[in-house]
Order: sequence, then structure tokens, then C-alpha cells
Amino acid sequence: GAGVSQSPRYKVAKRGQDVALRCDPISGHVSLFWYQQALGQGPEFLTYFQNEAQLDKSGLPSDRFFAERPEGSVSTLKIQRTQQEDSAVYLCASSTEGGKGQETQYFGPGTRLLVL
Amino acid sequence: RKEVEQDPGPFNVPEGATVAFNCTYSNSASQSFFWYRQDCRKEPKLLMSVYSSGNEDGRFTAQLNRASQYISLLIRDSKLSDSATYLCVVRRYNFNKFYFGSGTKLNVKP
Repeated sequence: GAGVSQSPRYKVAKRGQDVALRCDPISGHVSLFWYQQALGQGPEFLTYFQNEAQLDKSGLPSDRFFAERPEGSVSTLKIQRTQQEDSAVYLCASSTEGGKGQETQYFGPGTRLLVL
Repeated sequence: RKEVEQDPGPFNVPEGATVAFNCTYSNSASQSFFWYRQDCRKEPKLLMSVYSSGNEDGRFTAQLNRASQYISLLIRDSKLSDSATYLCVVRRYNFNKFYFGSGTKLNVKP
């Protein structure tokens, strides 16, 4: 079946531009996560949705970062006034249940963002 | 202090070797534990969950030591295809925030 998809796969932005990154989770998955992965580092948690509710956004690095999942399926991560330090791979993951134990997170291929 | 610490490596081993990675976590409230594998420029994929009693999946064995707050992964009879970065992941009880280590890079040489 279809896995998690993300678009665009690559994005080059000029400093100060706004960008929007899209995630299509696996159909029926309740939980959706966004991560930021810098080169040579592990993924860092950004935010978490259970259906349409954003239950945790403690990892968003600044108020320039905003995420939504209005209908409980597709999610968008928006970065306003991009800075060079925002350059990273943005990974989306989904899982079947929220906080119930050892459920597997399935990752999308990521969006590689480069801010010039 | 980071939530999850791993030796970055790289571990360079010949085919057929046995290799072990350790990972330590700082919060005793951590409840769920995982090893993920990430190939270069690819997304992380679940390798195995780690259970309190330890568990094995083919050539891979995972152990959890709650008292010392560390997790280990043992790979026996290494294959060239095992070359990747191995990420240690923990989740705290009742939270849906997953903490990833920086990863340990493994290179298996012919």
C-alpha cells in the first residue's frame, strides 16, 4: 500500500521567503509527527497531531514555524521568513495510534530545504 | 545533556563480524525504546522495538537495561547491506514525543 508521501522533495528558498511543506500520511493513521533533521544529526521532534488536534508543538524552534492538519489527514508545515539555519531535511511520520505503546512510526522520504 | 546519546562511530567492520552499539538515555520516565536504521539520504525505518526482556530478530539482538538506562543493539554475521546509520529512539510514558539519538554509523567492508 501507499506509504507516507511528502512534497516537494527538494526546495530551495531565498532567505526571507515563506515555504510550505506537505505531508500525506498513511490512510487511517491517527498520529502525525514532524521532525527536523540537520546534517549528521538524528531527527529532532517539532510537533505532533492526533487527528486534527495539535497536541504538542513544543519542538517548533520559533514562531516562524506553523503546522496544521485541518481535516485530520494531510498536514502542512509552514516556515515564514526562512533563515539559513532552517536548512535541513523535514521528515513527516505517521502511526496508527496515539501513545498506546510500541506502535511503529512510518516516515516519509522528507523534504530537503536549502535556504540561500 | 541530550535526551539520547550514541557513539557516532563510524564502526568499520569486516563482513561476518559481530558488532555492538550502545545508547544511553537520560530520563528514567522513558517507556518505549526502538532501533531505527537510516540509509544515506533516506528516511529512517524501524529495525526493531526493544522490550524489557530483550528480543531477537534474526541476526539482530536488542537489550534494555532500565537500571543503567541504556539500550544495546548486537548485529551478528554482518552483511555489506547492514552498512547504515543506526538511530536509538526513546519515548516517555504517556507522551507522544520521540527522542532520537544522533545515530551510529556502521560500515561493513568486504
